[in-house]
Amino acid sequence: AQTVTQSQPEMSVQEAETVTLSCTYDTSESDYYLFWYKQPPSRQMILVIRQEAYKQQNATENRFSVNFQKAAKSFSLKISDSQLGDAAMYFCAYRFSGGSNYKLTFGKGTLLTVNP
Amino acid sequence: NAGVMQNPRHLVRRRGQEARLRCSPMKGHSHVYWYRQLPEEGLKFMVYLQKENIIDESGMPKERFSAEFPKEGPSILRIQQVVRGDSAAYFCASSLTSGNTDTQYFGPGTRLTVL
Repeated sequence: AQTVTQSQPEMSVQEAETVTLSCTYDTSESDYYLFWYKQPPSRQMILVIRQEAYKQQNATENRFSVNFQKAAKSFSLKISDSQLGDAAMYFCAYRFSGGSNYKLTFGKGTLLTVNP
Repeated sequence: NAGVMQNPRHLVRRRGQEARLRCSPMKGHSHVYWYRQLPEEGLKFMVYLQKENIIDESGMPKERFSAEFPKEGPSILRIQQVVRGDSAAYFCASSLTSGNTDTQYFGPGTRLTVL
C-alpha cells in the first residue's frame, strides 16, 4: 500500500521569506501523480500544485514550486516570497495513475504559520 | 461554474441517530469521491462512485456507513447509528472523468459532531 509521510507537523516563516515543506512517499508503482493541497482555516481543500512522475521537470505555479526526486521518493514544496494568506495546513498527496480508481492518499499535513 | 457543493456544512447528531451528508459535484462531473478527516489527521479515502455505481468502497467501514450517487440528484453519504468516533470532517471531491490527468476538486466539507 502507498503511504505518504510529512515529517514536519509545524513550520513557520517570516513574511516575504522562503520556506520548504517536506514530503516523502512509498510506492512500488512507476507511474503516479503527486499533489500539494492547501487547507486554510475555512477548511476548504485547494489544489496548489501537481507533478506527474514521468516528468523530470519540477512543476511550478507562480510562487510555488516543487523539488521532485523520484529515486529518493521525495516531493518537497517551496513557497517563495511568503504571504500572510499562505498560512494554512498543507497536505502532500499521492495518486496512482494506472487502473480505474484514482483515489488520493494524503499525508498528515504540515501547519504553516506566516509571521508578519 | 459553481464548485463542489456540500450540505450541511455543520451537522450535530446524538449517539444512535442517523447522519446524511450531501454532495453535489461540479457541473458535468460524474465521478465522486468521499474522504474523512479525523482531528489532527490527513484525509482518508472512503468511497469512489460513478453515477449509480459504487466503484471502490475499500475505505468505508463495513457497518453503518453507506454511499450512493443516483442518476439524478446529489451523492449521499449515510451514517446510521452514529457514535462519537464518527465525529470528523467529511469531504467530497468530484472529477470530470476517471482519467489519469483529471484533477479532483473538493467541496468545503461537512463537519459532523456526535454528542
